[in-house]
Amino acid sequence: DAGVTQSPTHLIKTRGQQVTLRCSPKSGHDTVSWYQQALGQGPQFIFQYYEEEERQRGNFPDRFSGHQFPNYSSELNVNALLLGDSALYLCASSLEVLAGGSSTDTQYFGPGTRLTVL
Amino acid sequence: DAKTTQPNSMESNEEEPVHLPCNHSTISGTDYIHWYRQLPSQGPEYVIHGLTSNVNNRMASLAIAEDRKSSTLILHRATLRDAAVYYCILRPYNQGGKLIFGQGTELSVKP
Repeated sequence: DAGVTQSPTHLIKTRGQQVTLRCSPKSGHDTVSWYQQALGQGPQFIFQYYEEEERQRGNFPDRFSGHQFPNYSSELNVNALLLGDSALYLCASSLEVLAGGSSTDTQYFGPGTRLTVL
Repeated sequence: DAKTTQPNSMESNEEEPVHLPCNHSTISGTDYIHWYRQLPSQGPEYVIHGLTSNVNNRMASLAIAEDRKSSTLILHRATLRDAAVYYCILRPYNQGGKLIFGQGTELSVKP
């Protein structure tokens, strides 16, 4: 059973460019969350997708957008890249248990995509 | 969001028990206490969670204070593979989904 997979592993971009990161959830999972982890910090929640819609969003600008496909996979798009966007981007999947999400659902994380903005 | 406080770092010897503390004095009655850990160069992984009673699983035990203002993650016999950053997270009952990570405790294990 494959866990959460993310691609690419590493990515280097320059300021102002746009980037798309991809995530395939764990088999049987229908909910995908994205996190940003700066060096030496804990992960910060970006947003969560369920039933192809953004359900929750953290404190991130509109430059960060996402999409969920019918097969539950997801993309994270970041426009107009800034140096401060350099980070590890983590995808986590879970199984929706209760409407609105469950505080006890376990999130399974992928290995992340390391984005460097020059 | 309710806040948690953890020591920045802790050291342990291999095969000895480890007690990782977490303070959450502003916890509300419906907040669940979750623990995740992040091994080097990996994404976080779930360890354990609880509400009021102490919990055990194959990875660890969670001891929750009677007033729920603090909790302790217990690794019964630390191994070198347990070296990681451990995060204590509160999840409100009606706000499933997102995890609010703090700085966590970096645990090092000496052979």
